[in-house]
Amino acid sequence: DAMVIQNPRYQVTQFGKPVTLSCSQTLNHNVMYWYQQKSSQAPKLLFHYYDKDFNNEADTPDNFQSRRPNTSFCFLDIRSPGLGDAAMYLCATSRAPSGTKDTQYFGPGTRLTVL
Amino acid sequence: SQQGEEDPQALSIQEGENATMNCSYKTSINNLQWYRQNSGRGLVHLILIRSNEREKHSGRLRVTLDTSKKSSSLLITASRAADTASYFCARTQGGSEKLVFGKGMKLTVNP
Repeated sequence: DAMVIQNPRYQVTQFGKPVTLSCSQTLNHNVMYWYQQKSSQAPKLLFHYYDKDFNNEADTPDNFQSRRPNTSFCFLDIRSPGLGDAAMYLCATSRAPSGTKDTQYFGPGTRLTVL
Repeated sequence: SQQGEEDPQALSIQEGENATMNCSYKTSINNLQWYRQNSGRGLVHLILIRSNEREKHSGRLRVTLDTSKKSSSLLITASRAADTASYFCARTQGGSEKLVFGKGMKLTVNP
């Protein structure tokens, strides 16, 4: 089945130790998104790629970076995780940006714990 | 706040009852979408309603949109224990590609 896959599902890292979360998709969608969702809060968009074009949200900290080496894969790099970065990180895809009425398909998320 | 606001924030009902969740927003929209999130999982898309539409159905789900009141409602009929989840409304607006989520509403359906 076509889907959005996130690995790992659970990630534990130490304060300040770089960590990478991965997302892959078999939907062949143009757009890939990364969201941060803290407990009992709404998902917050960090950035997205439209094909190879990177679009950063204005309030996304510099500590968060992303790479998209090909259509199928997208990575979220947290250079120096702080305790406040502990959250669920959700990857999503869409055929086209949501402004053109397309829906987003979400992966199961990676729960990040920072010790 | 730019977020949509779901109302109520938490709802507990018995299996078989209907559940209605409301979402309000402050700016004009292109479309409004409803998502479900089971505990600790990703979001599942339920329904998308465009700004020129007033009502859409999908199985036991019914979504209405009132752009004059800047509000939408999600009705789940004949609820089941498996409907227990958090529900989010999300919207796109203007020329932005961004999907703006509301705070979410936790629905508990008791067997």
